[in-house]
Amino acid sequence: DAGVIQSPRHEVTEMGQEVTLRCKPISGHNSLFWYRQTMMRGLELLIYFNNNVPIDDSGMPEDRFSAKMPNASFSTLKIQPSEPRDSAVYFCASRTGTGDQETQYFGPGTRLLVL
Amino acid sequence: GNSVTQMEGPVTLSEEAFLTINCTYTATGYPSLFWYVQYPGEGLQLLLKATKADDKGSNKGFEATYRKETTSFHLEKGSVQVSDSAVYFCALTGVGSGNTGKLIFGQGTTLQVKP
Repeated sequence: DAGVIQSPRHEVTEMGQEVTLRCKPISGHNSLFWYRQTMMRGLELLIYFNNNVPIDDSGMPEDRFSAKMPNASFSTLKIQPSEPRDSAVYFCASRTGTGDQETQYFGPGTRLLVL
Repeated sequence: GNSVTQMEGPVTLSEEAFLTINCTYTATGYPSLFWYVQYPGEGLQLLLKATKADDKGSNKGFEATYRKETTSFHLEKGSVQVSDSAVYFCALTGVGSGNTGKLIFGQGTTLQVKP
């Protein structure tokens, strides 16, 4: 299995531009998570989906952030407009289920720098 | 609410030294407990887990025992190597209303192993 795939791996953009981060979860996994990691705040859960449906988006910082999961094999996290404080590493993770299957598998992350 | 507290880093050890990274948690019910490791420039990888009290998770020489009486899940390794240098995250699955499915992370502990 290829694992969780994220693209791009690195993104440098200017303030005010739209940024779209992409994630392909592990095939067969039915839960998907978006995290943000910064030195100041550590790992933060932004949003997660079960069976393509957003379950909890309470971690989404503000209206500039949006996430979609149009099908079981693809999700996007969009920032519009981007700001320098959005600079962080964004991780996507997927999971097959609950109980003993609750382990989350992380992608390599997208390193975002907003100038 | 649910939370995880890890010992502050960085932890600096010489090769072959004994490692302990403390982790304590607060949760209602019976969460599953995890240790994730993040090597420089990479995403998080599951290191080990335990799903019920007194379980011991182990992998790559690392061990942690789920201690419900002390609400702890300390990570140990008998002899560290330079290649173990990384950031270690303790985590639990959320329990209770509004938390199911989430991973709650500690702040991470940086381990530096010197030759």
